[in-house]
Amino acid sequence: GESVGLHLPTLSVQEGDNSIINCAYSNSASDYFIWYKQESGKGPQFIIDIRSNMDKRQGQRVTVLLNKTVKHLSLQIAATQPGDSAVYFCAENPSGYSTLTFGKGTMLLVSP
Amino acid sequence: GAVVSQHPSRVICKSGTSVKIECRSLDFQATTMFWYRQFPKQSLMLMATSNEGSKATYEQGVEKDKFLINHASLTLSTLTVTSAHPEDSSFYICSASGGAYEQYFGPGTRLTVT
Repeated sequence: GESVGLHLPTLSVQEGDNSIINCAYSNSASDYFIWYKQESGKGPQFIIDIRSNMDKRQGQRVTVLLNKTVKHLSLQIAATQPGDSAVYFCAENPSGYSTLTFGKGTMLLVSP
Repeated sequence: GAVVSQHPSRVICKSGTSVKIECRSLDFQATTMFWYRQFPKQSLMLMATSNEGSKATYEQGVEKDKFLINHASLTLSTLTVTSAHPEDSSFYICSASGGAYEQYFGPGTRLTVT
């Protein structure tokens, strides 16, 4: 039977739009956060990371914002392209070592 | 750099048999390797953490006698699913870390148990 949470939240955008994907994390002690992109049938691919002593970090077409007060992380993708269509996961590092805890994921669908 | 491979990419096996999945770090030494399981449209769930030369640490609810993990070298970890059943069908993903925060993920292995 179908499980609760089987359907990923989905964000549908038009090519060229800016996309914002949000993530709430759970552990206030986490000091490192990563966004991953996962295409169908493949492993996660690193996009961008941020440490807890920062609130914003920019990469190529991507920006990560961190709000530690409300334990919220967001990924902004500028000028979204069809190739950006994938599932995006945030991950937090709660222990100071390399163990990661993944969020539920958001599916981004980009239509031409 | 930081490439991780998995073999096989897909495997179909009969119920009751065992299946071994290999995870290799190709261009760096992985002091720690992680094994995840992912069901369709769900997130990655950590199964176990293994450090080279020592026993794996399993997450709560993961049967260590069913999912055997060996991390015999700094570039290779294996996951053996013993006495597989249809409910073990899933996407298994490994990752490797050289000791810092970053984890580098393999491409995953699709296991189907018939």
